[in-house]
Amino acid sequence: AQTVTQSQPEMSVQEAETVTLSCTYDTSESNYYLFWYKQPPSRQMILVIRQEAYKQQNATENRFSVNFQKAAKSFSLKISDSQLGDTAMYFCAFMKEDGDYKLSFGAGTTVTVRA
Amino acid sequence: GAVVSQHPSWVICKSGTSVKIECRSLDFQATTMFWYRQFPKQSLMLMATSNEGSKATYEQGVEKDKFLINHASLTLSTLTVTSAHPEDSSFYICSAREGRRSPLHFGNGTRLTVT
Repeated sequence: AQTVTQSQPEMSVQEAETVTLSCTYDTSESNYYLFWYKQPPSRQMILVIRQEAYKQQNATENRFSVNFQKAAKSFSLKISDSQLGDTAMYFCAFMKEDGDYKLSFGAGTTVTVRA
Repeated sequence: GAVVSQHPSWVICKSGTSVKIECRSLDFQATTMFWYRQFPKQSLMLMATSNEGSKATYEQGVEKDKFLINHASLTLSTLTVTSAHPEDSSFYICSAREGRRSPLHFGNGTRLTVT
């Protein structure tokens, strides 16, 4: 079974600054996907970024980037130039490449962007 | 982009009654859908995998007879909470996938309150 650990329950960041969310995972799989999802107060789950384990290059989506360290089983998310609309709960998630396509979620990190 | 519609957004029902939640993929066919449950400020817990044309696969600890899942077509899965009790009050979210390597798309969730 896969486990996903997010060790930071809450984080606060000033608008326009940078915040990094940590995520580690445990798996014996060699091929898998990693995701960061955002859940704002509306509770709609929004895909922020996705990383294929076989790709060495870190994924980037505008102000969001990841630091994927496969050997260390680490997958952190960096939010640059934080905006008020980034206030949300962020979930790290793991999915095996083969099989049932189930997502295993971390406990989540609540990010609050201060004006 | 792919859209998953979930209905209703919120529902209040009396203890002992049943309530049905629908999850529809609006512009794609989804052979597999997933149902999650989320308590306030907690992570998403996978309840079951809904497979079109076959029985759902339930996660350990989820009561099959209480949470009935039907996936009658490639665009519709339903979750029926039978004989609801106050402890069933929660936020229920569905998700669906277009194809093997495509990301999951989430519905906007249903807040169930059992009085």
